[in-house]
Amino acid sequence: SAVISQKPSRDICQRGTSLTIQCQVDSQVTMMFWYRQQPGQSLTLIATANQGSEATYESGFVIDKFPISRPNLTFSTLTVSNMSPEDSSIYLCSLGGRLTDTQYFGPGTRLTVL
Amino acid sequence: AQKVTQAQTEISVVEKEDVTLDCVYETRDTTYYLFWYKQPPSGELVFLIRRNSFDEQNEISGRYSWNFQKSTSSFNFTITASQVVDSAVYFCALIRPQGGSEKLVFGKGTKLTVNP
Repeated sequence: SAVISQKPSRDICQRGTSLTIQCQVDSQVTMMFWYRQQPGQSLTLIATANQGSEATYESGFVIDKFPISRPNLTFSTLTVSNMSPEDSSIYLCSLGGRLTDTQYFGPGTRLTVL
Repeated sequence: AQKVTQAQTEISVVEKEDVTLDCVYETRDTTYYLFWYKQPPSGELVFLIRRNSFDEQNEISGRYSWNFQKSTSSFNFTITASQVVDSAVYFCALIRPQGGSEKLVFGKGTKLTVNP
């Protein structure tokens, strides 16, 4: 299985600021996904990030709030913009995307917004 | 529409007890995959098992076993002789095919607490 790392592992941020989360994979993958897990909740898909194309966002998530970059096949970033306390969550990146793939997850970024 | 239901929100057992976590899914697809993940308090999501829709054989891995029954659309997970380290939130998930991109649909999770 691929090794996935995320930076930062956790952060405490002030309202109104932005945070960029990095996801690095040790092998080339076509599709990367970004999920959000609000406190005590299940995981919700934010967007799908393909290299060389614009990210595809799920209902309820917009590019202005969660811009995503995918500059190459091993790296992606998710920015949480103009943060509010409601953005306090664990953000996870994952790989996979085909029916035959196993979706592995990064260790997550635990974000607290004050 | 695809949906995964984990009716048990929280379960508490005493060490060495057996415990079964229920998962019921809905899908119109004939080909799909089901997953179980473990999320310990540290927050990372640990992959446990993947099962495709054409393989109904039960699987055993150490103290873990999974029972997949298409007739009842269930994919239940049993931990035998539970240990304190098994305390975590467990998620059942289903792959949802969508326009060439297959995405995971998660249940709400079951929080398992194993007491010494």
